[in-house]
Amino acid sequence: EAQVTQNPRYLITVTGKKLTVTCSQNMNHEYMSWYRQDPGLGLRQIYYSMNVEVTDKGDVPEGYKVSRKEKRNFPLILESPSPNQTSLYFCATISGQGYEQYFGPGTRLTVT
Amino acid sequence: DAKTTQPNSMESNEEEPVHLPCNHSTISGTDYIHWYRQLPSQGPEYVIHGLTSNVNNRMASLAIAEDRKSSTLILHRATLRDAAVYYCILRRDSNFGNEKLTFGTGTRLTIIP
Repeated sequence: EAQVTQNPRYLITVTGKKLTVTCSQNMNHEYMSWYRQDPGLGLRQIYYSMNVEVTDKGDVPEGYKVSRKEKRNFPLILESPSPNQTSLYFCATISGQGYEQYFGPGTRLTVT
Repeated sequence: DAKTTQPNSMESNEEEPVHLPCNHSTISGTDYIHWYRQLPSQGPEYVIHGLTSNVNNRMASLAIAEDRKSSTLILHRATLRDAAVYYCILRRDSNFGNEKLTFGTGTRLTIIP
């Protein structure tokens, strides 16, 4: 079964404490992406990766880092989280034809 | 990115057809029309997409106006499981580059038992 998994699903942390949200896909897709979803703002892209070792900024990259050392994994790193990064985060990948994006179940992050 | 306009909310009775409209008057010739939905507490889910012709799949149908300035997602027989936020998105076709989807606020569909 085609799957995008994220961990953790829920996280409450404090300002400044580094954290990583993992994302893994089993579809061998080259393209992966991270979005954040906030009320009234829709989903906004944070970073994307077109292949291993190839990453680039999306619309709201400030305060985030990513890495793509292998095709299946695309972790999102918050080196020093702040309360304005409290949000719902989704990882996504896209089919080879580029028609269908597959989203993970989401990670709800609260930074106090 | 070209913009889409959708009603904020709609209601429909269970087991009846639902027509979800989307306006995209600034669509360009290479823009595909995609529909995604987001069920409560889940990530967005692909529903259907099209370019010029009407499209059908197991989930829904997509009717595209002749001038492509609007489209309608049709759920032929709504069930309670179809209650979700439905997003109409334009995606410019490209062989490479960022495959970002620009989500608006969508239409919240409520199904009445």
